[in-house]
Order: sequence, then C-alpha cells, then structure tokens
Amino acid sequence: DGGITQSPKYLFRKEGQNVTLSCEQNLNHDAMYWYRQDPGQGLRLIYYSQIVNDFQKGDIAEGYSVSREKKESFPLTVTSAQKNPTAFYLCASTGDGAYNSPLHFGNGTRLTVT
Amino acid sequence: DQQVKQNSPSLSVQEGRISILNCDYTNSMFDYFLWYKKYPAEGPTFLISISSIKDKNEDGRFTVFLNKSAKHLSLHIVPSQPGDSAVYFCAAKSTSYGKLTFGQGTILTVHP
Repeated sequence: DGGITQSPKYLFRKEGQNVTLSCEQNLNHDAMYWYRQDPGQGLRLIYYSQIVNDFQKGDIAEGYSVSREKKESFPLTVTSAQKNPTAFYLCASTGDGAYNSPLHFGNGTRLTVT
Repeated sequence: DQQVKQNSPSLSVQEGRISILNCDYTNSMFDYFLWYKKYPAEGPTFLISISSIKDKNEDGRFTVFLNKSAKHLSLHIVPSQPGDSAVYFCAAKSTSYGKLTFGQGTILTVHP
C-alpha cells in the first residue's frame, strides 16, 4: 500500500536538544514538504524539496534543517534555535506529473519540548 | 500576512442539513484551490479542488463554489453526516509559484 510514513507519532524532548523527525514515502513522488500545525494557525510551510539533493525554505524555516539524499526520504531536524518547537508536524508529497496534483499527507508527528 | 482566511473557527450543523464552509483569499495570483479534511491526530486528506477557470465543481455530496471577483470560495456538504465532523482546511496556490497556502481551518461538527 503506497503512502507516507512519519515516525514516531509522539516525540518528547528536553529544551536545547536537536531532534529529527522521519518522513518516508513509497509513492515515487518527486516533491516533498514539511508543514507545521498550530492551533488557530492552519498549516505553515517549513521546507520543501522538488527534487533529490535540492530543497528550499518555506515560510517559517528558521530553526529547522532538512536533507534530501534519497527520493523516498525527507527528514526534518528541529534545532535548539527553534523558539517554539512544540507542534504537530506534517510531511507531504506530490508529483505524479500533473502540476496541480494534490498533496498527500502523512499522519504527523506530535513533538513536545519541555 | 494571512493570504487565505477561514473566518469561522467552528460550525455546528444538524445531520441531513447543509454545511457551508467559507474561505477568502487576498492574492490575485492564486488560480487553484483545494479543500482538505482532517481528523484529530491524522494528516489532512484531499477532498475536492477547483481551478480558476471554473466557478463550480461537484463530487458527490461535496460542491465547491468559486467567486473570483469576490476572492471567495465555499464548500457545501449536502446532506451532512456525523462522519463529516472534522477540521476543514481551504488551500490555494498559484500554478506559477507552486507553493500551497492554507487557511486556519474550520471545525465542523455534525450532530445526529
């Protein structure tokens, strides 16, 4: 069954620690995205990658880093520089050739930093 | 600067009646619009979309209307069912730029 897998579902970290969220897709999609959801603010774009070994900052990239070494994988690192890291993080992908194909989302990782 | 706005944080509807969710946008470059549905602790799932060359798109119980002059779109669900209870996100993009911009979401509750 094709889809996007985000792990873990829940993640707890102490303030000051970096943490990496995993995102894997087997949809053969070229483009992958990271969004963050906060109450009352919808989904905000952190980083996106349209092709392997290339990625661009989204609207709220500060305090985050990504890599895209393989087509299937797009891990997100939340660094200690991110001021408010506690949030629900969503990974998405698209790229079946149609320019306006919808995003497919994973089930998210809820990160809590104390 | 919120380019896509859903001004109603929540909506409550009786089963069998119509649900109307609204969305406004400010960027005149947006030419493709989507609605997503999200259950708690899950990722959003795509519901329906509309291109700016159309003013209506229908898929079963779901219809999206686009009013370009007012920069407004709406999602109609008829008849509403309890399983429709979820958060609904409106999203918009410009095919020139490719990035999707989301609204804040509207929590729909359908009462039996």
